Amino acid sequence: GAVVSQHPSWVICKSGTSVKIECRSLDFQATTMFWYRQFPKQSLMLMATSNEGSKATYEQGVEKDKFLINHASLTLSTLTVTSAHPEDSSFYICSARDSTGGNTIYFGEGSWLTVV
Amino acid sequence: GENVEQHPSTLSVQEGDSAVIKCTYSDSASNYFPWYKQELGKRPQLIIDIRSNVGEKKDQRIAVTLNKTAKHFSLHITETQPEDSAVYFCAASIDFGNEKLTFGTGTRLTIIP
Repeated sequence: GAVVSQHPSWVICKSGTSVKIECRSLDFQATTMFWYRQFPKQSLMLMATSNEGSKATYEQGVEKDKFLINHASLTLSTLTVTSAHPEDSSFYICSARDSTGGNTIYFGEGSWLTVV
Repeated sequence: GENVEQHPSTLSVQEGDSAVIKCTYSDSASNYFPWYKQELGKRPQLIIDIRSNVGEKKDQRIAVTLNKTAKHFSLHITETQPEDSAVYFCAASIDFGNEKLTFGTGTRLTIIP
């Protein structure tokens, strides 16, 4: 199947700093990518839908100024956690829809963020 | 919006037995229903999916059934093996354009050797 790559796979940062996570579709173009947050033993919570060339669509309760999403090309979306706090520590995972491959949605490897 | 409920939250079966996980959805417009398997700390992996133009789909030991009238779909795993132990998520979506997946709450499946 198609490949979605996410980087970094894990990151530790200090409170108050910003962290950028990249999501790339390696062998297909994705006009839409999705960013999720997952707490231990819980389901995937959609944070926002990333649209190439336009603003992201955020889910209710997600702070758009804190979780900045940029989708500058058809193969790359980035999530920046700004002014990170310990409560932002989580597993962040992206996905992308392969519209030329049966509309299947593939996930990145996920990124473990720890804010200390 | 779409709401997906998944049961049970945990399931333990003896190796070799079958496992069934059930999901219901609320939006009758949803027409794409994938199932993902997620091992601890790893990405969800698509294991099977079904679209609303069919009622059942099978891939070796894994099958999914869909009842559009009742708005529920189920995952069936036969001849379970220890490597089937993982968390399984169902999801529902409108299979078009930018439509997002709505996930169920997950089922932790444990295969007892």
